[in-house]
Amino acid sequence: AQKVTQAQTEISVVEKEDVTLDCVYETRDTTYYLFWYKQPPSGELVFLIRRNSFDEQNEISGRYSWNFQKSTSSFNFTITASQVVDSAVYFCALSEAYNNNDMRFGAGTRLTVKP
Amino acid sequence: DAGITQSPRHKVTETGTPVTLRCHQTENHRYMYWYRQDPGHGLRLIHYSYGVKDTDKGEVSDGYSVSRSKTEDFLLTLESATSSQTSVYFCAISGSGGVGTDTQYFGPGTRLTVL
Repeated sequence: AQKVTQAQTEISVVEKEDVTLDCVYETRDTTYYLFWYKQPPSGELVFLIRRNSFDEQNEISGRYSWNFQKSTSSFNFTITASQVVDSAVYFCALSEAYNNNDMRFGAGTRLTVKP
Repeated sequence: DAGITQSPRHKVTETGTPVTLRCHQTENHRYMYWYRQDPGHGLRLIHYSYGVKDTDKGEVSDGYSVSRSKTEDFLLTLESATSSQTSVYFCAISGSGGVGTDTQYFGPGTRLTVL
């Protein structure tokens, strides 16, 4: 089965620092989908991005950017000029095309941004 | 925001008692999912539904059953709750094609404590 590893359990930065959250995945499928979700202290899960395995273009959305590299099976997430409101748990997730209802999540990275 | 509600939002129960959690959506989405969130594990899929009366097991289905008699409602039942089922339960929905072709949107979660 597919697997997602988020090796960083917790990260703490000072406001305005850049921070990168790592995500490494394992899959035997050639077609798959990668996701990032944000879980702020209030507890809800907020969708951030979806990427399919055929699209290796990096994505930028405001202060957020994502670096997808199939060669290293990584889908890293960078926040530029972090803000206190970015404090949350961030989850990376993966689903394979042959069973695309089975989405596997990483354990999550807790990001704390201090003022 | 996707129209997803979960009830109850919090529940404390005793070992051995049956528990039913409800997920209600107003989006008329075909796919519905139940996950549990535990520290160190991220979110794990329990069961999902791909239509009325159509359900399938996820990664951690033991001890859980589900039912979907209407498009808008997806019920998760713990037949005989155990302390290991203490967790936060999330419902999610997606539209036309499951995870790969559509984004999953999550409900607010239900915190269940089994004493």
